[in-house]
Amino acid sequence: EVQLLESGGGLVQPGGSLRLSCAASGFTFGMYAMSWVRQAPGKGLEWVSAISATGDKTYYADSVKGRFTISRDNSKNTLYLQMNSLTAEDTVVYYCTKVKATSDWFFDSWGQGTLVTVSS
Amino acid sequence: EIVLTQSPGTLSLSPGERATLSCRASRGIRSHLAWYQQKPGQAPRLLIYDSSNRATGIPARFSGSGSGTDFTLTISSLEAEDFAVYFCQQRTDWPLTFGGGTKVEIK
Repeated sequence: EVQLLESGGGLVQPGGSLRLSCAASGFTFGMYAMSWVRQAPGKGLEWVSAISATGDKTYYADSVKGRFTISRDNSKNTLYLQMNSLTAEDTVVYYCTKVKATSDWFFDSWGQGTLVTVSS
Repeated sequence: EIVLTQSPGTLSLSPGERATLSCRASRGIRSHLAWYQQKPGQAPRLLIYDSSNRATGIPARFSGSGSGTDFTLTISSLEAEDFAVYFCQQRTDWPLTFGGGTKVEIK
């Protein structure tokens, strides 16, 4: 069974930084691209960032480009999202997601989400 | 950026009725569209990918159709567990984008 367990969320001040982690299990992590998707409470879904299976290609939404960095450690089966220069608009739940198949940017597995709150 | 517009915003139906949800893309995306279901307090779940393919374990009452700019998710006969919010998503171009969602509520 695929499991994605996010951690690292919490309260941070505006302008601060936070690193999210996603521990993956139940599949061969290094064979699948991964992504982060976020959602404000009661709102829609917003794709944030994605990374290829080997980590050599990364993609970002314009809203986070230059502030967020996605990375992965295939030896640890872990996905990361380094978030800098956080603003109130970044106060959302962040989901770690696994793509369904290579080069297929649909998400067949989701973590339970981790809440990031940006507030002074 | 490809904008996905979902309609209606809310669909009020009774169990056993047929639900028809629409997703329109701002430009052609071939068949590169997925549908997700999200229940309160839960993460989204993939229902349909590449417009018409059911994901693993998804009941046959869920079906998808369309290509280009117009797509439809149909639930043939609503069951109690189907009342939820549904999102569409495209993978044709970066950035990946989602529609705003359609809430299917009990009438």
